[in-house]
Amino acid sequence: DAKTTQPTSMDCAEGRAANLPCNHSTISGNEYVYWYRQIHSQGPQYIIHGLKNNETNEMASLIITEDRKSSTLILPHATLRDTAVYYCIVIYNFNKFYFGSGTKLNVKP
Amino acid sequence: ETGVTQSPTHLIKTRGQQVTLRCSSQSGHNTVSWYQQALGQGPQFIFQYYREEENGRGNFPPRFSGLQFPNYSSELNVNALELDDSALYLCASSLGRTQYFGPGTRLLVL
Repeated sequence: DAKTTQPTSMDCAEGRAANLPCNHSTISGNEYVYWYRQIHSQGPQYIIHGLKNNETNEMASLIITEDRKSSTLILPHATLRDTAVYYCIVIYNFNKFYFGSGTKLNVKP
Repeated sequence: ETGVTQSPTHLIKTRGQQVTLRCSSQSGHNTVSWYQQALGQGPQFIFQYYREEENGRGNFPPRFSGLQFPNYSSELNVNALELDDSALYLCASSLGRTQYFGPGTRLLVL
């Protein structure tokens, strides 16, 4: 039931920006895009979310295309501690989060 | 402010047994959701409780049941355990749309 498509894995050099893409071509007008990450099978950690506008917080930036069919999560200066599985989620229903398989981000020294 | 906590952290059961997992929601959060995460996969939604009532359910059989208490803490009960129930069980609490996850309970069914 996942409504998002993400690359299976990505590599990023430490200190560089990590850009994680997500395709959600069937998103509807009132659905939000959420990003979480999961480190070593700990509980998923909330990163950021958005509806139409680009968003930025202390952890990351979220860029949503004008047609809302895709988005990019940007970690501006990746560190080794950012190595994790990153999940892009479109809220199908107010009360259901559907996680896909996510993107395994490997930050390398 | 205390985050979401879960107990126990690890649990080993045998096939056919019953198990109860517990979750304390973040202060002020009135909604609790439960997820099952098998090894190597993303979390799968089990069900959600809002103000003590079930408020949505994923594709899980009735032997997965839950409760939410007046203080908004919650329990997940699984009857007649099967080997495939071995997984990380995650609880998430929320007040609005954003869910905050606990560390999970790792269940092993032998």
